[in-house]
Amino acid sequence: QSVLTQPPSTSGTPGQRVTISCSGSSSNIGNNAVNWYQQLPGTAPKLLIHNNNQRPSGVPDRFSGSRSGTSASLAISGLQSEDEADYYCAAWDGSLSNWLFGGGTKLTVL
Amino acid sequence: QVQLQQSGPRLVKPSQTLSLTCVISGDSVSSKSGAWSWIRQSPSRGLEWLGRTFYRSRWSTDYAVSVRSRIVINPDTSKNQFSLQLNSVTPEDTAVYYCADQDFHHWSQGTPVTVSS
Repeated sequence: QSVLTQPPSTSGTPGQRVTISCSGSSSNIGNNAVNWYQQLPGTAPKLLIHNNNQRPSGVPDRFSGSRSGTSASLAISGLQSEDEADYYCAAWDGSLSNWLFGGGTKLTVL
Repeated sequence: QVQLQQSGPRLVKPSQTLSLTCVISGDSVSSKSGAWSWIRQSPSRGLEWLGRTFYRSRWSTDYAVSVRSRIVINPDTSKNQFSLQLNSVTPEDTAVYYCADQDFHHWSQGTPVTVSS
């Protein structure tokens, strides 16, 4: 069971905006930056958002991240079929001195 | 552009040691702003960070609580690479293993490792 809690699944239609939540605690999200990753089937995860809301070069601005207290969110606007993937949040936990991952959210584009 | 290329056996017998190596290009394992991690993924455990090595004024490691008693991550500055040793493996250690850089900006291609006799 992951310490960072994500909904197992979500869905949306093309063009829609969807959000994925990630809930933690003061020892991780509450005091450390959150990263988000996208994983397509059979591939390694890809960094989408780092430092809560920063997009690496090449990531469309349809993807955005935010953090408030001990929770974080990933928003995807203008949903496209190629966005269908698994999404993971991650944060450093200062109490454990460990990186933690969320359990992942499977996004289905209807 | 950082690239990570890992290698190692895909089949390990129970109770033996799983060993993987990750070669770095485009950065240095000794970078004072870098950190080099091993991560695994399985259907039962999801994505699981195993540990990291990094250099500041000296070499340091952090290990995941779940494997702390049987893991070693070592840097090799002469080959610009780092390695994973996971001892006393069981079928629970069957997973796809990845290496990754600071904050997991870049990942290796992944190696599926099966623990079975």
